[in-house]
Amino acid sequence: GAVVSQHPSRVICKSGTSVKIECRSLDFQATTMFWYRQFPKKSLMLMATSNEGSKATYEQGVEKDKFLINHASLTLSTLTVTSAHPEDSSFYICSATQPGLAGEVDEQFFGPGTRLTVL
Amino acid sequence: SQKIEQNSEALNIQEGKTATLTCNYTNYSPAYLQWYRQDPGRGPVFLLLIRENEKEKRKERLKVTFDTTLKQSLFHITASQPADSATYLCALDAGGGNKLTFGTGTQLKVEL
Repeated sequence: GAVVSQHPSRVICKSGTSVKIECRSLDFQATTMFWYRQFPKKSLMLMATSNEGSKATYEQGVEKDKFLINHASLTLSTLTVTSAHPEDSSFYICSATQPGLAGEVDEQFFGPGTRLTVL
Repeated sequence: SQKIEQNSEALNIQEGKTATLTCNYTNYSPAYLQWYRQDPGRGPVFLLLIRENEKEKRKERLKVTFDTTLKQSLFHITASQPADSATYLCALDAGGGNKLTFGTGTQLKVEL
C-alpha cells in the first residue's frame, strides 16, 4: 500500500524559533497533500490543502504567514511553523492523495505524525 | 452550525462481542463518509468508505451503515479482539477536493 512518511517524528524547540516538518509520499506521486493538527483527545483539524506547484489553500482561521507550506514536488510537502510559541505545540499530521479513477474518491494516506513541543 | 458527533466516552467491550460505534452529523450533506482507525501517537489509517447511495458496506469483520435520513453512520466490529483497541474516527467529505472533516473519535477498548 501507499506509504507516507513524516520527519521528524518529534521535535522540541524554543519559543521564537522556526520548525520545518517534512511529509513525503514514498511510493506514489501525490497531487494533493493535506496538513492537519490534532490536540490531545481532540479531532484532526484541517489546516491547509497543498497542491504541487501552486500556493496552498488555508482553512479559515489558519494564519498562512505562521504556517508556511511548500509543495515543491509530487512527493514532498513541507510545513514550517514560524516563530513558534507554546500554543503551537500540537500533533501535526499530513496526508497525501493518490489520483484514482475518474469520479472516484481519492484515498488519503496519512503520515505517522510529528509531535511538536514549544518550550 | 455544522457538527460531527461521536461518543466521547470510551467504549469497553468483551473480546468476541460486537462493538458498535456511532457517528452523527448535522448540517452536512456528505457524498460519502469514511471510517479511520488511529492508534496513540500515530496517524489515522483508512478502513472503509461508504457513499450516500449505499446503505451498508462490509470488509472482513467490519461493517458500516449510512443513513442519510437519520444523518448517522454506524460502525460495527464483529468478533472483536484486543488488537482492535484503538480510537475510531469518522470523517465526512467537506465539499469537494477530497477534503475531509473529522469527528472527535471514540476510543474502543476490547478486554479479555
